[in-house]
Amino acid sequence: KAGVTQTPRYLIKTRGQQVTLSCSPISGHRSVSWYQQTPGQGLQFLFEYFSETQRNKGNFPGRFSGRQFSNSRSEMNVSTLELGDSALYLCASSPSLEETQYFGPGTRLLVL
Amino acid sequence: AQSVTQPDIHITVSEGASLELRCNYSYGATPYLFWYVQSPGQGLQLLLKYFSGDTLVQGIKGFEAEFKRSQSSFNLRKPSVHWSDAAEYFCAALITGGGNKLTFGTGTQLKVEL
Repeated sequence: KAGVTQTPRYLIKTRGQQVTLSCSPISGHRSVSWYQQTPGQGLQFLFEYFSETQRNKGNFPGRFSGRQFSNSRSEMNVSTLELGDSALYLCASSPSLEETQYFGPGTRLLVL
Repeated sequence: AQSVTQPDIHITVSEGASLELRCNYSYGATPYLFWYVQSPGQGLQLLLKYFSGDTLVQGIKGFEAEFKRSQSSFNLRKPSVHWSDAAEYFCAALITGGGNKLTFGTGTQLKVEL
């Protein structure tokens, strides 16, 4: 099976812009979770989706949002980008809830 | 508060030496526990997991981990380290009833001396 894929792999934006990141889960996986990784804060949970419904959300401002489509693919959006949003954004998929999560390679976002 | 602690930020070992990376968790109930490895510029690769049952779990690349309830620990071990094991290692916990929210430790950077 193909693994989790994320596009784009690298992205450069300027402050105030918005960005959309995409994640395609492993075939048959219905749950997608998103994490932010920074040197200062480490790996932090953003949100998770299961069957197109957001099940859980981390402690991030409303500028961070996401959605899941009927084919389980997911997107996350960050509006009004700030310098501190520069990070590696990781997507993970699992067959269902409370199961092992498999991670994609990440999207590295640089905000200038 | 629920948390995962990895006390060692950096560890250096010689190739061929044994390795133990420490992980402690603080939860009311026993969570599901995982070890992931991350090479530079890459995503996270699952090494092994503990859900229940046998407290010694085997993973990929010759790694194993032992769950000790009395010590709230889930330490990762490898009998003989290879230079290719140099990477960052993350311990993570998932609380049952909490959906898919993984809580990660801060990571341990492993350096292997040839």
